[in-house]
Amino acid sequence: GDSVTQTEGQVTVSESKSLIINCTYSTTSIAYPNLFWYVRYPGEGLQLLLKVITAGQKGSSRGFEATYNKETTSFHLQKASVQESDSAVYYCALGENTGGADRLTFGKGTQLIIQP
Amino acid sequence: DTTVKQNPRYKLARVGKPVNLICSQTMNHDTMYWYQKKPNQAPKLLLFYYDKILNREADTFEKFQSSRPNNSFCSLYIGSAGLEYSAMYLCASSLRLGGRRDTQYFGPGTRLLVL
Repeated sequence: GDSVTQTEGQVTVSESKSLIINCTYSTTSIAYPNLFWYVRYPGEGLQLLLKVITAGQKGSSRGFEATYNKETTSFHLQKASVQESDSAVYYCALGENTGGADRLTFGKGTQLIIQP
Repeated sequence: DTTVKQNPRYKLARVGKPVNLICSQTMNHDTMYWYQKKPNQAPKLLLFYYDKILNREADTFEKFQSSRPNNSFCSLYIGSAGLEYSAMYLCASSLRLGGRRDTQYFGPGTRLLVL
């Protein structure tokens, strides 16, 4: 089956410091999975932060970046300088893009807390 | 408007009673999904409707039912709630664009507590 493992629990970072949330994936059924980072801000629904569908490519959004590394099966999320507004829960996910639907397999989520 | 709405936001149910959760979107998306999210676990896909065709995941096949009376609405139905159904239920929708599938848009979730 498919699985996603990401930094567990809670990560606390001081404002303006750098961030990395690790994500590795495993799949036995999808040759070229699409990789995603979703974010859930307090009181809101999950929303897409960034996605990459081609191995070796980098995605970026709102100052966050992630590179699709097929050799290490990783898709780590990084930001050079975090802000208080980045406090949220971040989910790494993989999916197979088919015409009918995108079956997403999520990680357990990482809660990011930014200290002022 | 990229909003997916879910009703109710909170639901209290008794063991053995039925539960019906509602999701709606006005983006004319062809596919609607239901996920289950329990504390300290990853969101888990339960089923999805592609147009009028229902697809249920193998390991939750018998536990959940769904209907989609029109393009905008999709329900999640539990015939007899058990304690293990207590969770957050997330609805999402997406659209096929040029042979590929676009982003999934998620609703805020319905928190179900079964007592």
